[in-house]
Amino acid sequence: EAQVTQNPRYLITVTGKKLTVTCSQNMNHEYMSWYRQDPGLGLRQIYYSMNVEVTDKGDVPEGYKVSRKEKRNFPLILESPSPNQTSLYFCASSLTVDTGELFFGEGSRLTVL
Amino acid sequence: GENVEQHPSTLSVQEGDSAVIKCTYSDSASNYFPWYKQELGKRPQLIIDIRSNVGEKKDQRIAVTLNKTAKHFSLHITETQPEDSAVYFCAAYTGKLIFGQGTTLQVKP
Repeated sequence: EAQVTQNPRYLITVTGKKLTVTCSQNMNHEYMSWYRQDPGLGLRQIYYSMNVEVTDKGDVPEGYKVSRKEKRNFPLILESPSPNQTSLYFCASSLTVDTGELFFGEGSRLTVL
Repeated sequence: GENVEQHPSTLSVQEGDSAVIKCTYSDSASNYFPWYKQELGKRPQLIIDIRSNVGEKKDQRIAVTLNKTAKHFSLHITETQPEDSAVYFCAAYTGKLIFGQGTTLQVKP
């Protein structure tokens, strides 16, 4: 089954404790992206990757890191989480950046205390 | 950079009525405009999209119109049903996909 898988789905952590949210897709998609969803602000792009070893900042990259060492994986790293990073995070992928449908993961709800 | 404004933020209609959600974009080079539906607790999913060389596209009860001159596009849902209740996001593509703020649609039985 074609899918984008994120883990963990839910996480409560404390300020400053490094965490990684994994994202994996099995559709051989070149393009992958991370979004955060906050009430009234829609989906804001954090980082994106056009292909392996190619990553770039989105609109809200501060406090986040990503890597794309393999085509299928695109982890999101919070080196020192802060309470303003409490949010719902979505990973998404598509065949290429401009060919249409973005496939989203199920989301990861992160709470930073 | 590209900016996408979406209105209204909330919309309540009676079952069977039509619903219209409007978006405006700032970059005239935008050439792809998808709409995503997000049901409560679920992930966003593409429901319809339109490219800049087309003025209107329909798929059963949903349609999207695009006015490139005015730089706005709209989602039309006819004969609304309770299962249409969700958050709807518009987006515009110019090198990257920029989403609107979302519209919460409530369809009352």
